[in-house]
Amino acid sequence: AAGVIQSPRHLIKEKRETATLKCYPIPRHDTVYWYQQGPGQDPQFLISFYEKMQSDKGSIPDRFSAQQFSDYHSELNMSSLELGDSALYFCASTRQGSAKNIQYFGAGTRLSVL
Amino acid sequence: AQSVTQLDSHVSVSEGTPVLLRCNYSSSYSPSLFWYVQHPNKGLQLLLKYTSAATLVKGINGFEAEFKKSETSFHLTKPSAHMSDAAEYFCVVSPSGGSQGNLIFGKGTKLSVKP
Repeated sequence: AAGVIQSPRHLIKEKRETATLKCYPIPRHDTVYWYQQGPGQDPQFLISFYEKMQSDKGSIPDRFSAQQFSDYHSELNMSSLELGDSALYFCASTRQGSAKNIQYFGAGTRLSVL
Repeated sequence: AQSVTQLDSHVSVSEGTPVLLRCNYSSSYSPSLFWYVQHPNKGLQLLLKYTSAATLVKGINGFEAEFKKSETSFHLTKPSAHMSDAAEYFCVVSPSGGSQGNLIFGKGTKLSVKP
């Protein structure tokens, strides 16, 4: 079965650079969530989208933005990168109203800011 | 506000012995509760989910969890640990059903399995 696809798997950037992380949800899933997991930390919710509209916002810095496109994939744009942005970024998807009601996670993008 | 507390940051067991990972939740209404597992350098995999259908939930790989409202607990158990169970386990609560709201993670419990 198709899973949530995240790209790239690994990304190395320098301070003050920009980065774009991509997430391709499971087919027919209409909702995408982004989470950030710092080293040794639990995942923290950043932002979510439903039907291309932002549905919820968590602890996402102003330097970050995200959007969901017409094909339901999502991109997380990160600017003015800081050392503290080094983390594993997860995307999860689900289909609203489905009986299973589960968020399925991608393998994550590991961002290293040098 | 909803939250989960994982009572142990690290649990170590011997292979073949039972596993108990403890989780307490706080929620103002009936929550959805999950256990996710994260193997080293891997993504998050759902082990099991509770959504009020049955208090004893069976998951993958022989894991199960029991929802106890009176104790506000959702402990994860497995009768016999396997080496491949070594991983980080997260107890997770969703305030609004799991798909319509963001997930709130506990701090995680690292499970070590000794041969």
